[in-house]
Amino acid sequence: DGGITQSPKYLFRKEGQNVTLSCEQNLNHDAMYWYRQDPGQGLRLIYYSQIVNDFQKGDIAEGYSVSREKKESFPLTVTSAQKNPTAFYLCASSIDGGISNQPQHFGDGTRLSIL
Amino acid sequence: EDQVTQSPEALRLQEGESSSLNCSYTVSGLRGLFWYRQDPGKGPEFLFTLYSAGEEKEKERLKATLTKKESFLHITAPKPEDSATYLCAPFTGGSRLTFGEGTQLTVNP
Repeated sequence: DGGITQSPKYLFRKEGQNVTLSCEQNLNHDAMYWYRQDPGQGLRLIYYSQIVNDFQKGDIAEGYSVSREKKESFPLTVTSAQKNPTAFYLCASSIDGGISNQPQHFGDGTRLSIL
Repeated sequence: EDQVTQSPEALRLQEGESSSLNCSYTVSGLRGLFWYRQDPGKGPEFLFTLYSAGEEKEKERLKATLTKKESFLHITAPKPEDSATYLCAPFTGGSRLTFGEGTQLTVNP
């Protein structure tokens, strides 16, 4: 079945530690996105990529980094510079980055907590 | 700046009690709107795309409608399995979406 796989489902970070969240899709979608979801704040865009080897900052990119070396993969690193990383992180993809007005499809998220 | 407001924030219904959720927005160059359903601990699941004012889409007990300034998600005779958070996102043709904060629906048996 085609879809978006996020791993791990739960992740714990120690102070001063970088952690990487995995996102893989087999939908052959060009565009991929990372969102952060906090209670009462909805989905906020961290980074997005419309094509391999290219990505753009979203609204809350500080303290995060991404790479897009393969079409299928868009890992997110939460660095020690992100002072409040506890949140639910969602990865999404869309066929062409909105050109044809197609929706984004989401993985089932990674919940990150601070030890 | 695009703004999206969903109301109410939370809604409790008895099984079979119909109601509506609202999504109002201020966006430039609106091309349509997406509705999603999100279960606790899961990612949003795509429900509908609405492209133009007056358009309606239906799926089981859900019907979505669109005007120039807002969209409604009508729930007819809901069941407990309809309990979820419902999110809307107007789109303008670009890569980025602005999501509303959602309406948390609880349907009691």
